[in-house]
Amino acid sequence: ETGVTQTPRHLVMGMTNKKSLKCEQHLGHNAMYWYKQSAKKPLELMFVYSLEERVENNSVPSRFSPECPNSSHLFLHLHTLQPEDSALYLCASSPGGEGSGANVLTFGAGSRLTVL
Amino acid sequence: GQNIDQPTEMTATEGAIVQINCTYQTSGFNGLFWYQQHAGEAPTFLSYNVLDGLEEKGRFSSFLSRSKGYSYLLLKELQMKDSASYLCAVIDSNYQLIWGAGTKLIIKP
Repeated sequence: ETGVTQTPRHLVMGMTNKKSLKCEQHLGHNAMYWYKQSAKKPLELMFVYSLEERVENNSVPSRFSPECPNSSHLFLHLHTLQPEDSALYLCASSPGGEGSGANVLTFGAGSRLTVL
Repeated sequence: GQNIDQPTEMTATEGAIVQINCTYQTSGFNGLFWYQQHAGEAPTFLSYNVLDGLEEKGRFSSFLSRSKGYSYLLLKELQMKDSASYLCAVIDSNYQLIWGAGTKLIIKP
């Protein structure tokens, strides 16, 4: 347990389904992130929230929709996904602010998504 | 473009030493991270280097040379539990985190 909890750990969905991934952190961190991890590829940053405001959206398709209702919770809403969206989706948080520890990420264990 | 290079896979023997290299070409530099990720688990923070030199933390050490755009992670007295992927990441001048694809380390008895 890292302090960042993701649910569900595994999700199988059809291309027409709507589902959501949930992330929760109780570390008092100010920034939260969604990353996509595919085999043998670098982590791809999808979204960043700092103090509940979205500060980054790296040209992610609109079929992925983030929501950050408060500094402890982050959602990724999924709608009409494609098979190539199958991957491990990692949530992370960081303290934010300044100093050497500001950017140290604490990751959740991820949600393994399979799109049929 | 920005790029982080690290070997895809390495194999080492229990009790031995292994060095995982990471070279980077980024627009600016504000620090370099190493993370460990066991299969099916969260990546966990190992080390952070922002100045040149060697940082030692128990069996693990991380080295940085900013002039060469190079870092390595040194693992000593390897244990079976060290089998994992090791991720290198660099903070660029815009404070964006640029990730390598990771090195899968296999430890054999």
